[in-house]
Amino acid sequence: GESVGLHLPTLSVQEGDNSIINCAYSNSASDYFIWYKQESGKGPQFIIDIRSNMDKRQGQRVTVLLNKTVKHLSLQIAATQPGDSAVYFCAENTGGFKTIFGAGTRLFVKA
Amino acid sequence: SAVISQKPSRDICQRGTSLTIQCQVDSQVTMMFWYRQQPGQSLTLIATANQGSEATYESGFVIDKFPISRPNLTFSTLTVSNLSPEDSSIYLCSVGTSNTDTQYFGPGTRLTVL
Repeated sequence: GESVGLHLPTLSVQEGDNSIINCAYSNSASDYFIWYKQESGKGPQFIIDIRSNMDKRQGQRVTVLLNKTVKHLSLQIAATQPGDSAVYFCAENTGGFKTIFGAGTRLFVKA
Repeated sequence: SAVISQKPSRDICQRGTSLTIQCQVDSQVTMMFWYRQQPGQSLTLIATANQGSEATYESGFVIDKFPISRPNLTFSTLTVSNLSPEDSSIYLCSVGTSNTDTQYFGPGTRLTVL
């Protein structure tokens, strides 16, 4: 069946370092991918997205990479800050708003 | 993106009762969804709230347990009926517009069932 999974459930990084959160997806028909950040007690917040006709997209301090050959998605956060501590979810979409969420990775930022 | 609010933000309910959660958006949106997030887990779609018609439920979720209303393009309710401790979760409303597949989420409602 369809699934979106993450390689690591937790990630701990030093403040100022770069963070890389990985995600594997299984549905080759997925054409839209999203990363969400969820802080404690809040709803998921949209970070960045990418469509399947691209392999890289950059935002403010964040970059998403898509490798369709191996069905892999990653989120890179530059110069990680304490405010980046949260759970990060990748999600895939095959069109029409049908979105499947991954298990989530908890990012800890050490001061 | 749209501003989404949910009421209540949290509640503690007794077994066997029901809780109705409201989701209000500050602009008209095409799509509204309800998700459940069990403690320490990811998000699971309960249903798509359709304006003016019955909601579309995902496998494992039924209308008798999770009745949904959507009277207009800015408002929806989710009722969790006949509560049991297993219903203790965060319930999230999300919205999508016709221009993008991106969903935006409300702050969630934390339900605890005793």
